[in-house]
Amino acid sequence: DSGVTQTPKHLITATGQRVTLRCSPRSGDLSVYWYQQSLDQGLQFLIQYYNGEERAKGNILERFSAQQFPDLHSELNLSSLELGDSALYFCASSVWGTSTDTQYFGPGTRLTVL
Amino acid sequence: AQSVTQLDSQVPVFEEAPVELRCNYSSSVSVYLFWYVQYPNQGLQLLLKYLSGSTLVKGINGFEAEFNKSQTSFHLRKPSVHISDTAEYFCAVSLDSSYKLIFGSGTRLLVRP
Repeated sequence: DSGVTQTPKHLITATGQRVTLRCSPRSGDLSVYWYQQSLDQGLQFLIQYYNGEERAKGNILERFSAQQFPDLHSELNLSSLELGDSALYFCASSVWGTSTDTQYFGPGTRLTVL
Repeated sequence: AQSVTQLDSQVPVFEEAPVELRCNYSSSVSVYLFWYVQYPNQGLQLLLKYLSGSTLVKGINGFEAEFNKSQTSFHLRKPSVHISDTAEYFCAVSLDSSYKLIFGSGTRLLVRP
């Protein structure tokens, strides 16, 4: 158990819908990362927050947005969903959010878009 | 652009045999290197990481990796594998100028009795 929690574990929805994925970091970690894992793209970095502020952005679509709240939990919002958005979405956290930090991964949310 | 290559998509091996999972990276700047393991239906767990210093890094579960700057490689090794080592293994890099991890495509280690 990494100490990072993600809810829900599974999510099944239809095209065009909007969903919210939630992540609680390990106690004491200030930085949260979101990754997408799919069969064709592999593991791709989406976005990083540090202490409530966006720090780095990766291959995140404009239909996707995220935020980190004052209690440090984070939410990833996916809208206008397409079939291709079906994937495993991981949240990770680290203490300082630096390049040398170990990132601790949650169990993931499996999103299925029908 | 930086990239990570894991040439072997699957490595079958018998129990108690040694194994090496290969990882090569391309980068024009210094990198930090990581190996993560993903067991079925679970998140990723750090096995080991190289930041600086000794090029031989020891990790959890008896794994080790060697950083070779001239060959831009960071191969993962274990002298004797167990059935429980069956999992997907990911090599990743991060840069000083970037906070994200860039992952390879993964290698599925399949340990047979």
